[in-house]
Amino acid sequence: DAGITQSPRHKVTETGTPVTLRCHQTENHRYMYWYRQDPGHGLRLIHYSYGVKDTDKGEVSDGYSVSRSKTEDFLLTLESATSSQTSVYFCAISWATEAFFGQGTRLTVV
Amino acid sequence: QQQVKQSPQSLIVQKGGISIINCAYENTAFDYFPWYQQFPGKGPALLIAIRPDVSEKKEGRFTISFNKSAKQFSLHIMDSQPGDSATYFCAAVMNNNAGNMLTFGGGTRLMVKP
Repeated sequence: DAGITQSPRHKVTETGTPVTLRCHQTENHRYMYWYRQDPGHGLRLIHYSYGVKDTDKGEVSDGYSVSRSKTEDFLLTLESATSSQTSVYFCAISWATEAFFGQGTRLTVV
Repeated sequence: QQQVKQSPQSLIVQKGGISIINCAYENTAFDYFPWYQQFPGKGPALLIAIRPDVSEKKEGRFTISFNKSAKQFSLHIMDSQPGDSATYFCAAVMNNNAGNMLTFGGGTRLMVKP
């Protein structure tokens, strides 16, 4: 998985609680991305980062925030989880024309 | 609004048959078109990709056909095998100051029956 580790791999949380997902890379790449995967929608971009402390919104950013204080770590936070945020979340890095994905975090909001 | 439309959503093929998955895009600024393969519990992995100045690319049993004027591209899996059973995503890539921005199709779940 190109040196990408996501944690946790599975999480169940209650509506209204904050949740943070972590993505760690060992490749020292500049660009990192958070996607969510839902049936029929493929993968949709939530937020991305183009450097330390440099982030921007993607297609489905409402209800999510991100932080990148080190090159290797990219955090995704759900400030107040809702049932519509139940999904599988993937972190990715890219260089040249390729993107490499982590193994995903399955998040269930009950 | 989905910028990349993929069909069919699911596909069942007999072993040895040809699997065909189609995608259409809208934005002519896309400059690279990869296909990703995903097995259950895993992240998507790059399978094969094509640039818009090429009409066809073949790697082993996998072929991409690209029609720039129609803004369509397709994945053909020849001699489909049970091990090919997975979810396939087409994508379109735009390279800008954010790196490679991928826009994915909705995915096709392929089942190859032995």
